[in-house]
Amino acid sequence: KAGVTQTPRYLIKTRGQQVTLSCSPISGHRSVSWYQQTPGQGLQFLFEYFSETQRNKGNFPGRFSGRQFSNSRSEMNVSTLELGDSALYLCASSLTFGAGNTIYFGEGSWLTVV
Amino acid sequence: GQQVMQIPQYQHVQEGEDFTTYCNSSTTLSNIQWYKQRPGGHPVFLIQLVKSGEVKKQKRLTFQFGEAKKNSSLHITATQTTDVGTYFCAENQAGTALIFGKGTTLSVSS
Repeated sequence: KAGVTQTPRYLIKTRGQQVTLSCSPISGHRSVSWYQQTPGQGLQFLFEYFSETQRNKGNFPGRFSGRQFSNSRSEMNVSTLELGDSALYLCASSLTFGAGNTIYFGEGSWLTVV
Repeated sequence: GQQVMQIPQYQHVQEGEDFTTYCNSSTTLSNIQWYKQRPGGHPVFLIQLVKSGEVKKQKRLTFQFGEAKKNSSLHITATQTTDVGTYFCAENQAGTALIFGKGTTLSVSS
């Protein structure tokens, strides 16, 4: 079956702009989360959605937001982009909400802010 | 907040040598998961440990969870070039919310 699909894979934005990234979880998976990966900070949890509701949130400013649709697809948005937002943004999905599920990551969206 | 410390940050070995990465927490972990990320790739789930003192093996990989559930290790026996990548430990706190260690990057020369 298809894995976690993220679009776009690569994008370049200018400081001050906003960006929307999309994630389609594995078919049947209802829990989706987002991570930011940078060389300096490593993999950091952004937020998690289940049944269209944000269930957990990491320590990121309000410029980072997300949502989940009824078909479990998710989007994340970053407004007023800063140079430090350049990173690999990874989406992950699992079957249900609750610790202990196997978590599958997408290939990520590479964002460069110039 | 909760932090998972991982050491070493980098490790270079000759093919055939063993490799170990360690994960430590100041607080009790509910579970520990291990992931591998190949260069240019995305994290791939390897295993989850839940019980105190648990040991699991996958071919040349051995995973351990400490008795106090505050530390974990991943040991690779007789490394191969295909083992190259970054190995992350993470605590799965809820749903898909993972708190990752900084990872250990393994390089292998033949």
